[in-house]
Amino acid sequence: DAKTTQPPSMDCAEGRAANLPCNHSTISGNEYVYWYRQIHSQGPQYIIHGLKNNETNEMASLIITEDRKSSTLILPHATLRDTAVYYCIVSQLSGSARQLTFGSGTQLTVLP
Amino acid sequence: DTGVSQNPRHKITKRGQNVTFRCDPISEHNRLYWYRQTLGQGPEFLTYFQNEAQLEKSRLLSDRFSAERPKGSFSTLEIQRTEQGDSAMYLCASSLGGLTAISPLHFGNGTRLTVT
Repeated sequence: DAKTTQPPSMDCAEGRAANLPCNHSTISGNEYVYWYRQIHSQGPQYIIHGLKNNETNEMASLIITEDRKSSTLILPHATLRDTAVYYCIVSQLSGSARQLTFGSGTQLTVLP
Repeated sequence: DTGVSQNPRHKITKRGQNVTFRCDPISEHNRLYWYRQTLGQGPEFLTYFQNEAQLEKSRLLSDRFSAERPKGSFSTLEIQRTEQGDSAMYLCASSLGGLTAISPLHFGNGTRLTVT
């Protein structure tokens, strides 16, 4: 699986958009970008994933650059409950078993 | 609640003792994963089951560790002769996998092991 690079920490004001960047310059054509988050003392929670098109769901939007070498997770209106470690993971989505390889993630702190 | 359930939530044991953790995945999920997470680090893959078959094991899974999923439903992770370095959060995840796609992993809230 391709390696990802994320800033170790970010702050965001409550109610504002949180934009979390991720670099994955060695991504291959069949690898997806996944985002998970982990709130303190809980297991990781799936947020969103995409291949090359931008994706949106009830939690967030995922913007993937045209060359697929980087992506941005957008939380449109951050709340205090969005404070968590956010993990960007690149992995194949296939019939064979593909475990997710987590890095250290970005600690997002939403400030009141 | 139909999410992934792990028991116990916390376990304190003395070095050298054996411990066993249980994971109940989401009922229709055929794939089950075990991860370990130490403080300040992301989760690390340990092993994976498809139904009752253990298909992949990480090098992190020493011979003191054994995982089973006897009927393709719940799973157990046993650590024999625990060491202080085994202290960590043990996370279980499940997913629904087919021939061409795998659903995202759904994680439980983990079992925190402290070896004294």
